[in-house]
Amino acid sequence: AQSVTQLDSHVSVSEGTPVLLRCNYSSSYSPSLFWYVQHPNKGLQLLLKYTSAATLVKGINGFEAEFKKSETSFHLTKPSAHMSDAAEYFCVVSEDTGGFKTIFGAGTRLFVKA
Amino acid sequence: KAGVTQTPRYLIKTRGQQVTLSCSPISGHRSVSWYQQTPGQGLQFLFEYFSETQRNKGNFPGRFSGRQFSNSRSEMNVSTLELGDSALYLCASSTVPGYEQYFGPGTRLTVT
Repeated sequence: AQSVTQLDSHVSVSEGTPVLLRCNYSSSYSPSLFWYVQHPNKGLQLLLKYTSAATLVKGINGFEAEFKKSETSFHLTKPSAHMSDAAEYFCVVSEDTGGFKTIFGAGTRLFVKA
Repeated sequence: KAGVTQTPRYLIKTRGQQVTLSCSPISGHRSVSWYQQTPGQGLQFLFEYFSETQRNKGNFPGRFSGRQFSNSRSEMNVSTLELGDSALYLCASSTVPGYEQYFGPGTRLTVT
């Protein structure tokens, strides 16, 4: 059975410092993995996706994530945080079990201090 | 290209009533999924449709149902509404199942 665990419910960083949002997953198949961002009162936006190509995936707004099968992790990083990055981030796993089932992590709220 | 549209955006219903929510996917997208978002439970998968067939369903009671039409538009229906059904209902579309999904703004349902 698939599951997603976002290891931190809240992360606080200072502007200009690196961001690390952690995600572990469990899947019986070869999953597709995604990160989405939700800004306050805005819709969900795709940041990046992993679909069994390169293990290091680059997304929008300077974010990237590395797929590590041995660690079943898909952590999201950004070298330098910007105030506009403050939002909620969701790690998502999707696998085909005869029909695609998509599971969202609980979310990590990112705070960026000036 | 127009994004995913959902109607209505806001809805207030009374316990015991039923409700139908509508979703129009991005042109050319044939897969539609529905999610329920609440502060307590987060984002939970409801169901996925592709080519008018429900291919997967989350752990929700039978009061929650849906369908997809030949033009890929989708509706979901909740019967015998309960207070706990108050949530933001999100629709997402993708070209085919498993590919990246694009989300609509959601329908905010309040059950009183």
